[in-house]
Amino acid sequence: EPEVTQTPSHQVTQMGQEVILRCVPISNHLYFYWYRQILGQKVEFLVSFYNNEISEKSEIFDDQFSVERPDGSNFTLKIRSTKLEDSAMYFCASSRDGYEQYFGPGTRLTVT
Amino acid sequence: AQKITQTQPGMFVQEKEAVTLDCTYDTSDQSYGLFWYKQPSSGEMIFLIYQGSYDEQNATEGRYSLNFQKARKSANLVISASQLGDSAMYFCAMREGGGDMRFGAGTRLTVKP
Repeated sequence: EPEVTQTPSHQVTQMGQEVILRCVPISNHLYFYWYRQILGQKVEFLVSFYNNEISEKSEIFDDQFSVERPDGSNFTLKIRSTKLEDSAMYFCASSRDGYEQYFGPGTRLTVT
Repeated sequence: AQKITQTQPGMFVQEKEAVTLDCTYDTSDQSYGLFWYKQPSSGEMIFLIYQGSYDEQNATEGRYSLNFQKARKSANLVISASQLGDSAMYFCAMREGGGDMRFGAGTRLTVKP
């Protein structure tokens, strides 16, 4: 069964550094999403992406964040100048029709 | 204001029994979708079940069913014949129209042998 994959599974970075989190959505899906989950808290929406552009973004998704679909398969989340409070699990999700979303296994980001 | 409310931070159920996890939502949209996800201790988010606001029948997927009461704005998840592997966090989520998905705070379910 096709699934969303994410790399790396765990990323440790120093405060102020840039990180790129990578996702490979399910191949025939058209809608892509990033969420984050701070440890012990609920999942929070960051951004949705459709037709090569951002369709929705939350108040969390400020200028520090950007997303890109550099080729036909990858979907990336870039965090510039990371802060301690960016430490969280970051989930990528994809959807064929914008309804059911299938999540990847997540990337745990630790900012030290 | 909270869009999705899960009032049970933790629930216990005996193996093989059924359990209901509560979820209420707040929206003024006519078109919305309701979702349940399972998050085991390993951390991944597993899609369980979806209910559209216009669906007249309650959604079912194997042992999972969604008790959708539109007038009460509730979308409770029912798990029948609980198994030890059902122990996890369960998140209710809602997507309004074409907007983003909002999650509840989650309910931690523990299945006792």
